[in-house]
Amino acid sequence: DTGVSQNPRHKITKRGQNVTFRCDPISEHNRLYWYRQTLGQGPEFLTYFQNEAQLEKSRLLSDRFSAERPKGSFSTLEIQRTEQGDSAMYLCASSLKRASYNEQFFGPGTRLTVL
Amino acid sequence: QQPVQSPQAVILREGEDAVINCSSSKALYSVHWYRQKHGEAPVFLMILLKGGEQKGHDKISASFNEKKQQSSLYLTASQLSYSGTYFCGTERRGGADGLTFGKGTHLIIQP
Repeated sequence: DTGVSQNPRHKITKRGQNVTFRCDPISEHNRLYWYRQTLGQGPEFLTYFQNEAQLEKSRLLSDRFSAERPKGSFSTLEIQRTEQGDSAMYLCASSLKRASYNEQFFGPGTRLTVL
Repeated sequence: QQPVQSPQAVILREGEDAVINCSSSKALYSVHWYRQKHGEAPVFLMILLKGGEQKGHDKISASFNEKKQQSSLYLTASQLSYSGTYFCGTERRGGADGLTFGKGTHLIIQP
């Protein structure tokens, strides 16, 4: 499968615990995005990387959230001291830098449940 | 600024047509359309850039009216597989922005 992959697919954790998610983009894509989606809403942008550089962060990304893309390939999203409000689907998307287009292809997501 | 999608929900019989609209109060660089089925990731349908272009893909097409900052997605002769939630995502500047998505339009196709 050459699409975007995410692990784990599901994560259940207790409030206050730390969690880490991984995203592997489409191999030739140099841009990687993280979004969060709650029930009945569209995805909300969190942050994006071009290669290993984190170029933009949403105000939604509190200090408890951190993302990395150390070698410009896979990325991790860590949430520290999880809260019940963090329960959501966390989606990763990747795209290839083009002159005009920015088609973003999404992975299957990691569903986080904070008890 | 989140784009506004209309209608919120549509129920159709197989073979009928549907139009889904996406409007923004701000100038847009591009509009992206996705379809998402329950429990699955959004699937990319098409992207339209400012300039008023129109695109088609099988029986699904879309237009982007730059003057009105509005995009419309047209589904003709709908099939059962078209059921799902349709989202528009917008970019305000060219490059590599994260997308700002609307709340979605739920489309149900009945046999």
